[in-house]
Amino acid sequence: QVQLQESGPGLVKPSETLSLTCTVSGDSVSSGRYFWSWIRQPPGKGLEWVGYILYSGSTNYNPSLKSRVTISLDTSKNQFSLKLSSVTAADTAVYYCARETLAAGTRYFDYWGQGTLVTVSS
Amino acid sequence: SYELTQPPSVSVSPGQTASITCSGDKLGDKYACWYQQKPGQSPLLVIYRDTKRPSGIPERFSGSNSGNTATLTISGTQAADEADYFCQAWDTTTAGFGGGTKLTVL
Repeated sequence: QVQLQESGPGLVKPSETLSLTCTVSGDSVSSGRYFWSWIRQPPGKGLEWVGYILYSGSTNYNPSLKSRVTISLDTSKNQFSLKLSSVTAADTAVYYCARETLAAGTRYFDYWGQGTLVTVSS
Repeated sequence: SYELTQPPSVSVSPGQTASITCSGDKLGDKYACWYQQKPGQSPLLVIYRDTKRPSGIPERFSGSNSGNTATLTISGTQAADEADYFCQAWDTTTAGFGGGTKLTVL
């Protein structure tokens, strides 16, 4: 059974960098069929796609966040990570890591972590 | 990012059919997914590729997509189906999510 687990600080100061890690079990981040993704959800609001990384290290980011986002892969630990720089209160959200499967000409987020709340506050 | 529009809320009586719409530019030319999210839980995929149900999702969940609108239909709605529902689709290289619809089973 595939499981994803987010970890990282729950409180970040304004202007600093948010850093989160997603540990994957039951699957390999080196697999070529999947996009390893980050999605966030501000409290009481909808979902926002942040970006993804492929097994090759290739990335794709939400244009609205692109200048501040970096997603990286650590195949030795079967993890992928998110860094979001220069955070403000607007970045306060539950951050989910998720696996997106590419199959039969379509793609979908089929496994999600439990989510971790990151609050931006001094 | 790709903008998708959903009604904020939909109400349905138990046993009746609930329909939740999702509108986006030329959405029918893309594949739509639907996710169910209950309070305090992560989203759960209930429909992918417009009409497909993942293993374990009840048959009462179905989907369609044509023109600019995708629709999630829940037949014989149960109290357990009360949740937020989000549509999602890809526009070239950008993923978009709808704002979510709160389904209330009265």
